[in-house]
Amino acid sequence: GENVEQHPSTLSVQEGDSAVIKCTYSDSASNYFPWYKQELGKRPQLIIDIRSNVGEKKDQRIAVTLNKTAKHFSLHITETQPEDSAVYFCAASRPTGNQFYFGTGTSLTVIP
Amino acid sequence: GAGVSQSPSNKVTEKGKDVELRCDPISGHTALYWYRQSLGQGLEFLIYFQGNSAPDKSGLPSDRFSAERTGGSVSTLTIQRTQQEDSAVYLCASSFSGGGLGEQFFGPGTRLTVL
Repeated sequence: GENVEQHPSTLSVQEGDSAVIKCTYSDSASNYFPWYKQELGKRPQLIIDIRSNVGEKKDQRIAVTLNKTAKHFSLHITETQPEDSAVYFCAASRPTGNQFYFGTGTSLTVIP
Repeated sequence: GAGVSQSPSNKVTEKGKDVELRCDPISGHTALYWYRQSLGQGLEFLIYFQGNSAPDKSGLPSDRFSAERTGGSVSTLTIQRTQQEDSAVYLCASSFSGGGLGEQFFGPGTRLTVL
């Protein structure tokens, strides 16, 4: 089955700096890679996703890159703000599979 | 429209008792997932329902765990003879279609505490 690893587990950055979270996956058939943000005490919410037919996707201050050959994908947050502080989860799934395989999460703290 | 709802929001039970957790998915969503999230941990897949197909139960940790989805809508996760290690937040999610085809929308979760 799929194995998704996520690093780092915790990340602290100064407000205005960039944050990068990386995930690797093992199943070359995986083709959909969403990122979820979970604020303290709240439910996970999708913030950005990428499919395997593109290498990069951007939405304002958030971008995701995908390297299919190396089987890794990354979340990039630029100009971080205190409200970006949360736990971020990556995930991978196959088009015909039933499961989303989640990483173990990265706790991001943006220091004002 | 209404999002995914779960009840109860909190449940405290004694070791050995049975509990039922409920999930109301978004109307029209055919796929429904249950996850468990222990304190400070990631999302552990439990079970997946897709339409009228047989559920994928491969993530259930033991035979004390079971789930049903009636009429393709509401789902109930049942934990029998609860143990302290069952304490966690149980999250339900639904999507318009399953697998890698649709965004998952999560419910607020049920926080289960087994004393």
